[in-house]
Formats: sequence, C-alpha cells, structure tokens
Amino acid sequence: DVKVTQSSRYLVKRTGEKVFLECVQDMDHENMFWYRQDPGLGLRLIYFSYDVKMKEKGDIPEGYSVSREKKERFSLILESASTNQTSMYLCASSEEGLRQPQHFGDGTRLSIL
Amino acid sequence: DQQVKQNSPSLSVQEGRISILNCDYTNSMFDYFLWYKKYPAEGPTFLISISSIKDKNEDGRFTVFLNKSAKHLSLHIVPSQPGDSAVYFCASKTLFTGTASKLTFGTGTRLQVTL
Repeated sequence: DVKVTQSSRYLVKRTGEKVFLECVQDMDHENMFWYRQDPGLGLRLIYFSYDVKMKEKGDIPEGYSVSREKKERFSLILESASTNQTSMYLCASSEEGLRQPQHFGDGTRLSIL
Repeated sequence: DQQVKQNSPSLSVQEGRISILNCDYTNSMFDYFLWYKKYPAEGPTFLISISSIKDKNEDGRFTVFLNKSAKHLSLHIVPSQPGDSAVYFCASKTLFTGTASKLTFGTGTRLQVTL
C-alpha cells in the first residue's frame, strides 16, 4: 500500500510567520503535489514536482514555495502566512504516466490567526 | 475559470437505490478522468477512472460513463450503501511534460445515503 504521510494533522500559526508543511511518501514515486481544499472550491493545485529539485507552479502558487531535496520528501512553505491561507492542505504522490492515480495523505488543517 | 464542474453540491439517496453523480468539463483535450472519494479528516482515495477511448468503465458497484460529445461524465453507484456517504470529486488528468501529469478537480458533490 502506498503511504503518504503529512507531518501534522492540525497546525495553528500567526500572521507573518514562516510555515513549513512536510510530506513524505514511501513508494519511490517520481511525482509529488500540494493542494489546498476549501469549501465550494474543491482541490486546487499549488505546486508540483516531477523530479528531485524540480518544481512547477500549479494554479494558485502565490504566497507559497516548495522544496524537494530528496525524492521521498516534498515541503510546502508559506513565506509569510496570511489569514487567507487558512485551509486544508493535501499532499499527493504518483508514479509517472497518465494512467497512474495520485495517492493522498490525510491532510493538514492549517489555521492562521 | 472552472474547467471541471460539479454542479450539484449535494445529493441525498436512499440506501439500496442508485446514486448518480455528474461532472462536466470544458477542455476537449482532457482524455483521462478519475473519481475520488473523500471522508472527513481523511485524504481523497482513488475510486475509478476512464480513458477517453472508452465510454464506460465498471468496478463492482461503481460505473463511470463518459460522453465525449457532451463533455460529460457520471458516476453511478448501485446499490448505494451508508458507507458511501462522502464527498466525491471528479478530476481530469493532463500531461504536463513527458510522462508527468497533473489533475484538475471539480468542486465536489457531498453524497448522503440514508437508511
């Protein structure tokens, strides 16, 4: 079974803080993704990576950055947290190929006060 | 610009009956579609997929239908069970580069299966 682990289930931070969300997958997948889920908006792609040290912007990258120094780990960074970044953050990984589904972690519910 | 749309935010179905969840897309270049199921406090789990070369794919109680001319797909659950109560997301998959691809999700439909 694929295991995607997000380091925190719940996180509370203050406006202006630098926030790190960590994600680790154990299946040697090439691709990793960060999404946020908001009511009425579904899942929106923030950033993704298809190889170590490679990153691509998704649909809503503003205010975020990512790091992928090792194949199994993909970090999402909120450079200066703002209240509109309060959300559920979901990490996913997949093998290469159009027909490979993405496997998700259980999410981090982040609150910015 | 919502490229994948799920126009029904919620659906209530009696146990044992058929649940039909709908999804529309705008980009005719999309050629692979997936359905995910999400329980509260858990990540989405992959349910079923369909390629554009097919119009139907079946897996147990779950069947996905694709109508390319209408840019419409639907998920049928027969018979519906209380454990099917969850939020269902449809998603389209597009190649980004080489073999890397990304998903575009709809906004989700919350299915409630009642006793």
